[in-house]
Amino acid sequence: DTAVSQTPKYLVTQMGNDKSIKCEQNLGHDTMYWYKQDSKKFLKIMFSYNNKELIINETVPNRFSPKSPDKAHLNLHINSLELGDSAVYFCASSHGTGPDEQYFGPGTRLTVT
Amino acid sequence: QKEVEQNSGPLSVPEGAIASLNCTYSDRGSQSFFWYRQYSGKSPELIMFIYSNGDKEDGRFTAQLNKASQYVSLLIRDSQPSDSATYLCAVRPGGKLIFGQGTELSVKP
Repeated sequence: DTAVSQTPKYLVTQMGNDKSIKCEQNLGHDTMYWYKQDSKKFLKIMFSYNNKELIINETVPNRFSPKSPDKAHLNLHINSLELGDSAVYFCASSHGTGPDEQYFGPGTRLTVT
Repeated sequence: QKEVEQNSGPLSVPEGAIASLNCTYSDRGSQSFFWYRQYSGKSPELIMFIYSNGDKEDGRFTAQLNKASQYVSLLIRDSQPSDSATYLCAVRPGGKLIFGQGTELSVKP
């Protein structure tokens, strides 16, 4: 299936731990994104990569570090997890950096206890 | 003032009625506007986009844009229970999408 996929779908961990979320798209898109959706459903962009180059870096704590090994993959590593990091994290991709449709992955529900 | 504002709802309409969802935005330089639908526990999916002032129709959905008033709306005709979801307005003033907080729509049979 052509899609944006994320792993894991659910992630429950304790404060202070380090965790990673992986994202892959097989749509041939050049641009990938990480979004955070909080408990009030507010969806906010965190990072964007175009052809492995970081192009959007919102005011996100340094504990969050994206990595794009190639243009089909964008991973998110989170250090020293905090309670406030609990949210659903969505990966998305689009063909370019212009006003193109963004396709979202299924989301990773992160719960920090 | 939030960059993109929506009434969080819930908006409840009877089956077969017209549902009207509204969105205002603050950046006058915004050029492209999107409506995403998000079912509970699922990811957002694009249902409409509009770039020019006026109306754009796609099946039961009509997007309306008024750049002078910084206002974009989504009309859903003949609403169905399957339309019950959260509708996210998104605006693209530059290289990123800025989302509103979403309006929860409930269509009652």
